[in-house]
Amino acid sequence: GQNIDQPTEMTATEGAIVQINCTYQTSGFNGLFWYQQHAGEAPTFLSYNVLDGLEEKGRFSSFLSRSKGYSYLLLKELQMKDSASYLCAALDSNYQLIWGAGTKLIIKP
Amino acid sequence: DGGITQSPKYLFRKEGQNVTLSCEQNLNHDAMYWYRQDPGQGLRLIYYSQIVNDFQKGDIAEGYSVSREKKESFPLTVTSAQKNPTAFYLCASGTSETDTQYFGPGTRLTVL
Repeated sequence: GQNIDQPTEMTATEGAIVQINCTYQTSGFNGLFWYQQHAGEAPTFLSYNVLDGLEEKGRFSSFLSRSKGYSYLLLKELQMKDSASYLCAALDSNYQLIWGAGTKLIIKP
Repeated sequence: DGGITQSPKYLFRKEGQNVTLSCEQNLNHDAMYWYRQDPGQGLRLIYYSQIVNDFQKGDIAEGYSVSREKKESFPLTVTSAQKNPTAFYLCASGTSETDTQYFGPGTRLTVL
């Protein structure tokens, strides 16, 4: 079956760095998405990786290893507003998104 | 203002009643999607449409119906056949060029 695994919850300190991991098993693979979702709101697009390697976008970076079925989202210089859930989603061979349950990130002062 | 709108933000219905959730986009996207989100679970696909007058069932279509008469609009009806309709419903749209989906603000449906 198709499956996305990511930690349920993580805690980090304001100003620090945090890495949120995601492993995926899908029938075919056409890319990996990361979304941010604040409580009670809709997900907003953060990044898309289809090739191996690191994509940097300001304080956020996303990494993909297709051979390992693994991705991570790296958040630097954490701010209180980064407290949210981070959703990992893989695009399968039918171009359908398979979603993880999300990682709730708690930022402490 | 370009974007995706969903209305209403909160909706309350009695058990046994059908209810229709609105989703409109002015991004000129061909594809539109309906998801359901429950606490502790990933988004689950209900229905999707890649072109006007055509739509496909997702993983959990039972108890739901949709229509796609216009490119801009993709309403979702939650019927009385849906066993556990209380959830956060999210509409999204996207293009085949990027496969990125963009979400509306969501409708939180509570069935009493």
